[in-house]
Amino acid sequence: IAGITQAPTSQILAAGRRMTLRCTQDMRHNAMYWYRQDLGLGLRLIHYSNTAGTTGKGEVPDGYSVSRANTDDFPLTLASAVPSQTSVYFCASSETETSNEQFFGPGTRLTVL
Amino acid sequence: GQNIDQPTEMTATEGAIVQINCTYQTSGFNGLFWYQQHAGEAPTFLSYNVLDGLEEKGRFSSFLSRSKGYSYLLLKELQMKDSASYLCAALDSNYQLIWGAGTKLIIKP
Repeated sequence: IAGITQAPTSQILAAGRRMTLRCTQDMRHNAMYWYRQDLGLGLRLIHYSNTAGTTGKGEVPDGYSVSRANTDDFPLTLASAVPSQTSVYFCASSETETSNEQFFGPGTRLTVL
Repeated sequence: GQNIDQPTEMTATEGAIVQINCTYQTSGFNGLFWYQQHAGEAPTFLSYNVLDGLEEKGRFSSFLSRSKGYSYLLLKELQMKDSASYLCAALDSNYQLIWGAGTKLIIKP
């Protein structure tokens, strides 16, 4: 593993189903983030974690949950998917929450029907 | 509220210079970032400004005026591979990034 990986690359999901998007980084970064990117809108922060064991809500947290059991992994769960959650999801990390640069994973394209 | 404004789309010619502007309004300010994003790919870091002035990095330069809430990204000697979206983002008082919608730059031969 080099940098940040996300899985799956893409997914089509029926509404009402539960889905977990996976994110793993091998840079030993303390801070991790989940964003969604929709056409015509900027990246919007869903949830973040400044260090293992802690999480926080971003701009659009409703319908999503996260956990940070260790430094490397930061999964994002949709408990009951809805069509408005159709989007491209990016995981990112930075050395600390005040670091200058965030590094992004390749993204997961999710379609909820 | 917090807001980032940048043009939706710009067109420029290969070999020319283009300036992409960004204005921001945030609760507190801890720096201004520019990222490049090619279609279907992840954003990648280009520059960071926290003090007023110009930061130059090869063909790319970024400028910040904190008093005006204004930044620009200057791309020189444009190449076809520079065709991408350029994202402006400001770091607020909580160290969270507030993102603009991005400027799609089209380079023509």
